[in-house]
Amino acid sequence: SSELTQDPAVSVALGQTVRITCQGDSLRNYYASWYQQKPGQAPVLVIYGKNNRPSGIPDRFSGSSSGNTASLTITGAQAEDEADYYCNSRDSSGNHVVFGGGTKLTVL
Amino acid sequence: QVQLQESGPGLVKSSQTLSLTCTVSGGSISNGDYYWSWIRQPPGKGLEWLGYIYYSGSTYYNPSLKSRVSISVTSKNQFSLKLNSVTAADTAVYYCARDQAVATPYFDHWGQGTLVTVSS
Repeated sequence: SSELTQDPAVSVALGQTVRITCQGDSLRNYYASWYQQKPGQAPVLVIYGKNNRPSGIPDRFSGSSSGNTASLTITGAQAEDEADYYCNSRDSSGNHVVFGGGTKLTVL
Repeated sequence: QVQLQESGPGLVKSSQTLSLTCTVSGGSISNGDYYWSWIRQPPGKGLEWLGYIYYSGSTYYNPSLKSRVSISVTSKNQFSLKLNSVTAADTAVYYCARDQAVATPYFDHWGQGTLVTVSS
């Protein structure tokens, strides 16, 4: 079982804002990173650190954290944002990497 | 621009050893700014971190697989994965990825992935 918990599925209306969450005790000490994965493709990093976007990632993607919960927010969701989203961070020992179970985002 | 590419057999027999190689281009594994990781994804399921290696040879493995997994640097631009005693549960797409060696891990470059099927 993962030490990071995500809702299995979330939906959002086109153009609206959606927040995808990731919960885990280790998030009190470490930030989460976020990945977008479309069918048949490798994951793509979309948010890392406190709230950093790699080059080429639209600014509608943002990250935040509070207590044991990290969030990925998409402001003005687009059809192309429909994908699986995974968080990752360290485990409670700090020595290993863990992924959340993933959230399937549907854009309606 | 760094690129990673996995290679190895796509079919492995149950109880045998899965061996994969990741070739890094546009950068060197000897760069101390990064960890070099293996991550897998069973069909229709989520991502699972297997472990990583630092240029010094230090390794860290997923505790759930620690007794079966081994990662090593094989050349200046290649690192490898070995997973022994495989079963059908090890059938997955295997990715190699680069992890920034900072407190919060993040994988900024990934290979395209290679599907490994374990057959009986």
